[in-house]
Formats: sequence, C-alpha cells, structure tokens
Amino acid sequence: GAVVSQHPSWVICKSGTSVKIECRSLDFQATTMFWYRQFPKQSLMLMATSNEGSKATYEQGVEKDKFLINHASLTLSTLTVTSAHPEDSSFYICSARGLKNEQFFGPGTRLTVL
Amino acid sequence: DAKTTQPTSMDCAEGRAANLPCNHSTISGNEYVYWYRQIHSQGPQYIIHGLKNNETNEMASLIITEDRKSSTLILPHATLRDTAVYYCIVIYNFNKFYFGSGTKLNVKP
Repeated sequence: GAVVSQHPSWVICKSGTSVKIECRSLDFQATTMFWYRQFPKQSLMLMATSNEGSKATYEQGVEKDKFLINHASLTLSTLTVTSAHPEDSSFYICSARGLKNEQFFGPGTRLTVL
Repeated sequence: DAKTTQPTSMDCAEGRAANLPCNHSTISGNEYVYWYRQIHSQGPQYIIHGLKNNETNEMASLIITEDRKSSTLILPHATLRDTAVYYCIVIYNFNKFYFGSGTKLNVKP
C-alpha cells in the first residue's frame, strides 16, 4: 500500500507555544488529506479535511483558528496547534486519500503539552 | 452515511480463522464497506473494502450478505500480530470516514 509519513512522531511543548505537525504522502499524490485526533482508549475523531490549494474544512466543534491546516502541495499537509494547552495533548493522525477512496494513514504524532 | 454496529471485543486462538462481524442494516445501495485495523499506538491500516461482491486480498476476505445489511471480515489464520482494534466503516464513495468504537480482537496463543 501507499506510504504516509508524519513528523515528528512525538513532541513535548510548553503551554502557550505552537506546534507544527507534517504529513507527507511519500509515493503518491494526494489532493485530499485528513486530520484526526485520538484520546487514550477512544476512537479516532475526524478534525478536518485538507484540500490541496484550498482552505481546509473543519468538523463541527473543531476550532479553525486553533488548528491551522495548510495543504500547499500534493504531497504535504501541515497541522499547526496554536497556543497549545494541556487539553490539546493527544495522538494526532493524518491520512491521504487514494484513487479508490481508501485512506492511507500516517503513523501518528504524540503531542504532550506541559 | 450508514451507522455500523460491531461487538466490543472478540477472542481468537492463534492459527484459527478470526471472523469479525459488522452490522450495517441502514446501508444504502451506493455505500461501500471499508475495514481498517489499528494496532496500539499506530495509525490505522487499510485492510479491504467492497460494495456488493465478496472480496479477498492477501490480508483478509470480506463477505457481504446478499441484502448488504451485514458483513464479516475474515482473517484466515490469525497470528498474535493481528491483535488490534478493527473498524468497519460504511460510506458513500469519496465521503469522509467517521470511525466508530470498533472491535478489539485478542489473538491468544
């Protein structure tokens, strides 16, 4: 299957700082990528849809000004958690849509906000 | 998109077939059934998907009932590495994925 990478795999930051997470499709071009968040022992929650060259669309209840998404190329989408707080600590996972609508997921990024 | 119902957890002996059911009684004619799994602290892994016909690949088989109201994912020879949470998702083509609670499959030696 297609490969999607995320960087960093884990990050620890202080409260109030911003953190950027990168999601790359390594061997295919993806016009659409998705960002999910997963809290311990819970399922994945879709945060937003990232479309190359246009604004992201956010799910209800997700603050667009707090979770900034940029999809500047067909292989890269970034999620920036602005002014992070401890409640933003979570496992963030991206995915890229393939030609058959299957989604290929990255390995995830563990964010811990102190 | 149709709602799915899966058992919370299942056990399977190593080497035996694991049969994971999914109920999607409100599925419509154009909705696909996708299966993913998530091993602890990793991103989900695509397994298989289908519309009406049964499907098979190197990982698993997907059996969809004739009325399409339920499906079964079959791992023919489960190994310890197949221990994971398995998600059944039903969506229209090119719609977004919304994950339910999934089934925790425990493969035991």
